[in-house]
Amino acid sequence: AQKITQTQPGMFVQEKEAVTLDCTYDTSDQSYGLFWYKQPSSGEMIFLIYQGSYDEQNATEGRYSLNFQKARKSANLVISASQLGDSAMYFCAMSAGGTSYGKLTFGQGTILTVHP
Amino acid sequence: EAQVTQNPRYLITVTGKKLTVTCSQNMNHEYMSWYRQDPGLGLRQIYYSMNVEVTDKGDVPEGYKVSRKEKRNFPLILESPSPNQTSLYFCASREFAGVTSPLHFGNGTRLTVT
Repeated sequence: AQKITQTQPGMFVQEKEAVTLDCTYDTSDQSYGLFWYKQPSSGEMIFLIYQGSYDEQNATEGRYSLNFQKARKSANLVISASQLGDSAMYFCAMSAGGTSYGKLTFGQGTILTVHP
Repeated sequence: EAQVTQNPRYLITVTGKKLTVTCSQNMNHEYMSWYRQDPGLGLRQIYYSMNVEVTDKGDVPEGYKVSRKEKRNFPLILESPSPNQTSLYFCASREFAGVTSPLHFGNGTRLTVT
């Protein structure tokens, strides 16, 4: 079974600064994918970034980057140059094989608040 | 525009009155799924479908039904809703069920059962 752990219930950051949201995962599968989603107060779920278990480079998408440390089983999201619009709930998720094939397992989420 | 469309956005109903939440995707995705989101419990998968006529239970299937007669549609049916099914529901689709394919979510349906 897969498990995602996000240990930071809430994080605060000053506008224009960088922030790291933590995510650790657990799986016995060798092939898996890691995803980050953003959920603003309006409720929709927005896909941000993906990292594959065999990818040697850390994924980047604009101001988002994923700090993937396979040995530590961590997949932290880094948001550079924070903006007020980044205030939202952020979820880390994983897709793997085995009996959970096809399913995305989500962490509990981290609420990010960006201060002006 | 590529999207997952679910309706309605908000629904208030009474215990026992059957309801259906519709979900449609225009991306020709094989995999579709329903999740519910509750405070403190996160997102939990209700049902999923690998392809047309192929559906299976997720983590919390009790009290729900689904069908996948067409590739684009995946409705969620509550035959006899109860207050513990009050939740935020998301329909989502993926191009395929593999580990590299992200889930694309609909905008959510906020259901209240009184």
